[in-house]
Order: sequence, then C-alpha cells, then structure tokens
Amino acid sequence: KAGVTQTPRYLIKTRGQQVTLSCSPISGHRSVSWYQQTPGQGLQFLFEYFSETQRNKGNFPGRFSGRQFSNSRSEMNVSTLELGDSALYLCASRNFSGVGDQYFGPGTRLLVL
Amino acid sequence: GNSVTQMEGPVTLSEEAFLTINCTYTATGYPSLFWYVQYPGEGLQLLLKATKADDKGSNKGFEATYRKETTSFHLEKGSVQVSDSAVYFCALWSNYQLIWGAGTKLIIKP
Repeated sequence: KAGVTQTPRYLIKTRGQQVTLSCSPISGHRSVSWYQQTPGQGLQFLFEYFSETQRNKGNFPGRFSGRQFSNSRSEMNVSTLELGDSALYLCASRNFSGVGDQYFGPGTRLLVL
Repeated sequence: GNSVTQMEGPVTLSEEAFLTINCTYTATGYPSLFWYVQYPGEGLQLLLKATKADDKGSNKGFEATYRKETTSFHLEKGSVQVSDSAVYFCALWSNYQLIWGAGTKLIIKP
C-alpha cells in the first residue's frame, strides 16, 4: 500500500498570506489527523477528522482550519500567516480499528517570512 | 490533564552500548502508549506500542513495558547501532489524539 502523502513538501509564504496543505491517507484509512512540529513547542495536535467530521481540535487559534473529503483526503488551511506558523506540518492516517496506530506522512515544511 | 515527560537529550552512546530512554506519563485511566522514531529528514514512524498495563511492545530490537505502578514506558535496546541515531518520541493516546513527549535525540558513535 502507498503511504500517507502530503503536498506540497516545502512552502515559503509571507506574513498575512494564507496557505492550504493537502494530505492523502493510506487507502482504506478513514481517520486523518494533523500535527504541528516546531523546535520550541514540539509536536502539537491540530485536529482529527473521521468521515468528514472533525472529532477533536487542539488548542490553536481559529486561523487554523481543516476539512476532510468523502474520499478521506484532507486539507488544512492557515489564514493570515504569522512568523510563528513556520513549522513542519504532519498528517497522519489511521485505520479506525487501530487504537492510536497513526501512520505519518513526510510532512510539509512551511516557512513564513 | 494528560501529559508525557521524556528524559532530555541528546543521549550519546557508543555502538553496541545498552540504551534506555525514560518516559513517564500522567493520565486518567490507562491509555495506550507508543514510541515513535523520527530519522533525520523523515516523518514519524511507529516503533512500538502497548495497549494495557504490563504489556511489552517490541520491534527492531527495541522494547518497552507498560508499568502502571510507576506510570512509565521506558524504551530499551540491548545493543545500539549507528543506524539507530534518530529522535525518539514517547506518546499516549487520548481523545482521538496523540499527546507527545518532547523527544529525545539519540546519537550513536561508531
């Protein structure tokens, strides 16, 4: 099976712009989660989707949003970018029956200038 | 709230040395526990897991035992290799999310 894919892999934006990141889960996986990884804050949970429904959301401002499509692909959007949004954004998919067994993509590295 | 605490790194060892990376957790109930590994320039990979107390997870020579008495899930390996150099993350599963430790960078010298 193909793994989790994320596009784009690298992105450079300027403050105030918005960005959309995409994630395609492993075939058959219906749960998709997003995490932010930074040197200062480590790994932090953004949100989790299952069957197009957001089931949980982390402690991030409303500028961070996401959605999931009927084919389980997911996107996350960050509006009004700030310098502190520079991070590696990781997507993970999960077979619903696997407790916590999340399989991660390679990430999208976002740099905000 | 739930949290995970890992020993700070970096941890530097010689090849074939014994490895222990400490991990303790705070949680309500008995959550599933995980170790993930992140090799340089790559995403996170599930290394091993344990879903209930006294379970031992193992993979690629690494082991960790779920100890509810000490709320710990320490990672061990009997003989490390240069290729084990990476960042190791301990995590617990709660409310549809993984809660992560800060990560421990492991450096193995030949």
